[in-house]
Amino acid sequence: NAGVTQTPKFQVLKTGQSMTLQCAQDMNHNSMYWYRQDPGMGLRLIYYSASEGTTDKGEVPNGYNVSRLNKREFSLRLESAAPSQTSVYFCASRRGGSYEQYFGPGTRLTVT
Amino acid sequence: GENVEQHPSTLSVQEGDSAVIKCTYSDSASNYFPWYKQELGKRPQLIIDIRSNVGEKKDQRIAVTLNKTAKHFSLHITETQPEDSAVYFCAALPSTSGTYKYIFGTGTRLKVLA
Repeated sequence: NAGVTQTPKFQVLKTGQSMTLQCAQDMNHNSMYWYRQDPGMGLRLIYYSASEGTTDKGEVPNGYNVSRLNKREFSLRLESAAPSQTSVYFCASRRGGSYEQYFGPGTRLTVT
Repeated sequence: GENVEQHPSTLSVQEGDSAVIKCTYSDSASNYFPWYKQELGKRPQLIIDIRSNVGEKKDQRIAVTLNKTAKHFSLHITETQPEDSAVYFCAALPSTSGTYKYIFGTGTRLKVLA
């Protein structure tokens, strides 16, 4: 069981470039999440997917899009990266009927 | 919107002493309150959680207390050790969300001095 995996681990983008952050879980969890973590700001929810085929905005969705490709995978896309999107991005998953979230190892993104 | 405030932002204690971190939430109907520990460069890990129908929960040196009337909950770490040094986050699950969207506090950096 790999749990929640994320790729890449690190990424540097120039302003205006696009990229997709990948997340996958092998625990058969229904719900998946994307958070960003900035110094002094805690974890802020970007998007949430309750189940395959559904997505919902979180606190800070602007500048991001998501795709819940199947039950395992939930990707986060930056169409035109901005320096304000420099952050550490965490994906998480949660089993239906349980409250506990399981986090991936994170992707450190720098936009110059 | 819903909000979770966490204090203090930094906390230094001597090894063996106790540490207390407090969070206050805004949605009185929140029903689940987890605490996460995050070591430098690592992912957040759940260390303890409490549901709204319970006032206190303990797991060895860690305990969480919940005061629903005052809308706050606290993490207590006793007999602190250097390996307890990390950033700790609280969170709350507003029941009104209906979609399991958690609200996190801003974190407390705990330093345990040997």
